[in-house]
Parts: sequence; C-alpha cells; structure tokens
Amino acid sequence: DTGVSQNPRHKITKRGQNVTFRCDPISEHNRLYWYRQTLGQGPEFLTYFQNEAQLEKSRLLSDRFSAERPKGSFSTLEIQRTEQGDSAMYLCASSLTQGDIRSYEQYFGPGTRLTVT
Amino acid sequence: LAKTTQPISMDSYEGQEVNITCSHNNIATNDYITWYQQFPSQGPRFIIQGYKTKVTNEVASLFIPADRKSSTLSLPRVSLSDTAVYYCLGTGANNLFFGTGTRLTVIP
Repeated sequence: DTGVSQNPRHKITKRGQNVTFRCDPISEHNRLYWYRQTLGQGPEFLTYFQNEAQLEKSRLLSDRFSAERPKGSFSTLEIQRTEQGDSAMYLCASSLTQGDIRSYEQYFGPGTRLTVT
Repeated sequence: LAKTTQPISMDSYEGQEVNITCSHNNIATNDYITWYQQFPSQGPRFIIQGYKTKVTNEVASLFIPADRKSSTLSLPRVSLSDTAVYYCLGTGANNLFFGTGTRLTVIP
C-alpha cells in the first residue's frame, strides 16, 4: 500500500499528558499537511510542510501543538499538556506541488482518533 | 483569511445531475480551486481541481467563472453511493479552509 499512513489509529490519554502522532506520506510527495476534525465539522487546517520546511501554521494552533518533518519524509505532531478539547480526529495529507500554480490535490491518511479523558 | 461559503445540505434523486456552488472570497491568484468528498469515518478524498473555465474528469465537472470568486461542482447522474459531504477548499495566506461542506443526500 503506497498511500498515506498514520499511527496510531486510536489514542486515549489523560488530560495533561503529552501525545505524539506519526504520518508517513506518499513517498514522492513534497508537501505534508496536518488537520484536526471534530464531529460535524470540516477538517481544520493546522500546519503544512514543503519538504522539511514548515511553511504555514494556523493562527488557531496553540503553542501546545508542534510539528516536525525531519529530512522531508515522515512527520510527527505533538500535543503537550492535552486538554479535553483536543479530542478529535487528526488527519494527515500529502501532495505533490510543482510549478507556478499551487495544487492542493491532497491525499489523506485514515487519521488518528484522540480521546482525552 | 481564506473562507468559503456553500449550502449546508442538498437532496437529490438517483440519476439526477447535482450542482454545488461554492463562494471563495479571496482565493489566491496562483492557487487551483479544489473539491473534496468525504464519507463518514474517512479522510477527505480529492475529486477535481481547476484554475479557470471548465474541467472534467471521470467523476465530475468543475465550472469556474473568469473572476474565480466562485466555482460549481457538477456530479452527473448521482447514485446512492454519492451520498457524502462535499467541500470546496479555500486557500489564502497562512490558512487552508474546508468549512462545514455540503451534505448531499441521494434519495432512491
């Protein structure tokens, strides 16, 4: 399977704990995106990378969230001091963007469902 | 800030053509306009993208007027399996915006 993979698929944690999620994009894709989605809402953009550079970060993203993409391959999203409001599906996507016109043809992984108790 | 506006929901009978229009107020000059489909408990799935005029692929057509302030996704002859949420993606500085999408229900 050469699609986007995410691990773990489910995570239950207690409030105040730190959690880390991993995303492995499609290998030739240069962009990697992180989103958060809650029930009944569309995906909420968190951040994205082009290769290893973090290009954009949502103003909604608190300082408790951090993401890395070392060597421009897989990415990790860490949430520190989790709160109950962090409970959501965390989605990763990747895309190949070339040329002057920016494409957002993203391929999404299955997501990591986080439950904070 | 990128933002989009689409109808919250639509119903259609099987076999009909469905058109969903999205307003995207300040899409960047050098960005494609992109649409996604999402089923419950799955990540969004790319449907189609275009820059201007009309684009057609095996599942949909996309109509974009010259001013690029809106776009219309056209699904020909929908079936029950097309019941899903459809999003147009808003793009802008420091943000990508999916919004709440349009929930399409196809009725037998």
